[in-house]
Amino acid sequence: GAVVSQHPSWVICKSGTSVKIECRSLDFQATTMFWYRQFPKQSLMLMATSNEGSKATYEQGVEKDKFLINHASLTLSTLTVTSAHPEDSSFYICSARGTSGRFNTGELFFGEGSRLTVL
Amino acid sequence: EDQVTQSPEALRLQEGESSSLNCSYTVSGLRGLFWYRQDPGKGPEFLFTLYSAGEEKEKERLKATLTKKESFLHITAPKPEDSATYLCAVQASTGFQKLVFGTGTRLLVSP
Repeated sequence: GAVVSQHPSWVICKSGTSVKIECRSLDFQATTMFWYRQFPKQSLMLMATSNEGSKATYEQGVEKDKFLINHASLTLSTLTVTSAHPEDSSFYICSARGTSGRFNTGELFFGEGSRLTVL
Repeated sequence: EDQVTQSPEALRLQEGESSSLNCSYTVSGLRGLFWYRQDPGKGPEFLFTLYSAGEEKEKERLKATLTKKESFLHITAPKPEDSATYLCAVQASTGFQKLVFGTGTRLLVSP
């Protein structure tokens, strides 16, 4: 079964509104989570690294004021797309690396993704 | 800058027709090379991690190999359920666990 859960799996919103996507690690703690964006037929592009209890590290070209990341606990990271516009429409995927117990394999577990459509 | 190039972009096979997917990479010190499978509208599913040249790993009809410049994903006697996009990613020895992905190979296996 899934070890990283994302919610919602899809969302449609109006231009100018904000959308929050949740990423939860199930059965393990993740001090670090990663947020990726994937456009159709393109590769996953890392947006930011989310660190529990501290500020996220954003990749070059990613607007930190537009894509707000909060990692308030060891099992939850959220991505908020603020003032969304049609060009923000994409597939957003989070991932976490297991560091404890049977999940301490070095494997990066991915969520099922969240498809955002901005009208 | 770390880069990953996958080829072919798309591949169509008949059921039972074996083939290989290529992943070429340049990285400032390789910590690991990863293969993932991605179905449409889903997140990537982990397949293999390779750490050093010469290493090989197998899982059912899939076998991954690694050299200093590239990795191959060999698919033996594929079945229609193997149809998916196969992604390759590298992790540098620096860069705080960041993975750099290729654009993937879309595999379609026809019955």
